[in-house]
Amino acid sequence: EAGVAQSPRYKIIEKRQSVAFWCNPISGHATLYWYQQILGQGPKLLIQFQNNGVVDDSQLPKDRFSAERLKGVDSTLKIQPAKLEDSAVYLCASSLPRDSGDTQYFGPGTRLTVL
Amino acid sequence: DAKTTQPPSMDCAEGRAANLPCNHSTISGNEYVYWYRQIHSQGPQYIIHGLKNNETNEMASLIITEDRKSSTLILPHATLRDTAVYYCIVRVLDAGNMLTFGGGTRLMVKP
Repeated sequence: EAGVAQSPRYKIIEKRQSVAFWCNPISGHATLYWYQQILGQGPKLLIQFQNNGVVDDSQLPKDRFSAERLKGVDSTLKIQPAKLEDSAVYLCASSLPRDSGDTQYFGPGTRLTVL
Repeated sequence: DAKTTQPPSMDCAEGRAANLPCNHSTISGNEYVYWYRQIHSQGPQYIIHGLKNNETNEMASLIITEDRKSSTLILPHATLRDTAVYYCIVRVLDAGNMLTFGGGTRLMVKP
C-alpha cells in the first residue's frame, strides 16, 4: 500500500514570496490533515478535511495560509506571503475513520526555509 | 495544549528494553492513549494505542495503570533504529479527531 505522498520535499524562498505544497493521501482515506512542525517542537494541526469539506481550521493563519482539497483526494496548502516564522516542516496526514483506531498516517513532510 | 507529560530525553542500551513513561492525570473516560514516534527527517509513525487494557503489537507494548493516569510504552529489545522522538497523546476515538502533540521524549539507543 502506497503511503502519503508530499512534494516538494524541500523549498527555500525569500520572505514575502508565495509557496505551495501538495499532498496525495492514502487511497480511500477520507480525512486529511495538514500539520506545521517548527524545529524542536511537536507537530501542530493547521487544518483538517473530511472528504472535500473543512472540519477544523481554527489554527490556520487565514490572512496568509489557505488550503483546499478539490474532489476530496489531493490537497494543496499555500502560504502567501511567507514570513520568516513560517520556516518549518509541513506534514500531511490521512486517516480512514474508525479503521484500526482512526490511525493517522503521515507523509515525509516538506521542509520550508524562509530567508 | 498537550494533556500529557513526558521526560524530555532518555537513553537506552541496544538490545535492552526501553521503558518510556507518560503522565496523563486529567485523562477522560472516553480518551485513548496513543503513541507515535518520529525518526529524524521523517513524519510521525503510529506505534500503538489503548483505552484501559494493556496492549501489545509487533512494535511495542503499552501498559496503562489501573487509574489510567499514566502509561508506559515498552520497546522490548531496542535497536539503533529505534532512536527517535516518542510522543504520548490522549484523544477521543472519533472520526477525524486531531492529534495534539507535546514535546515528546527523545530516546537515544546507544551501542
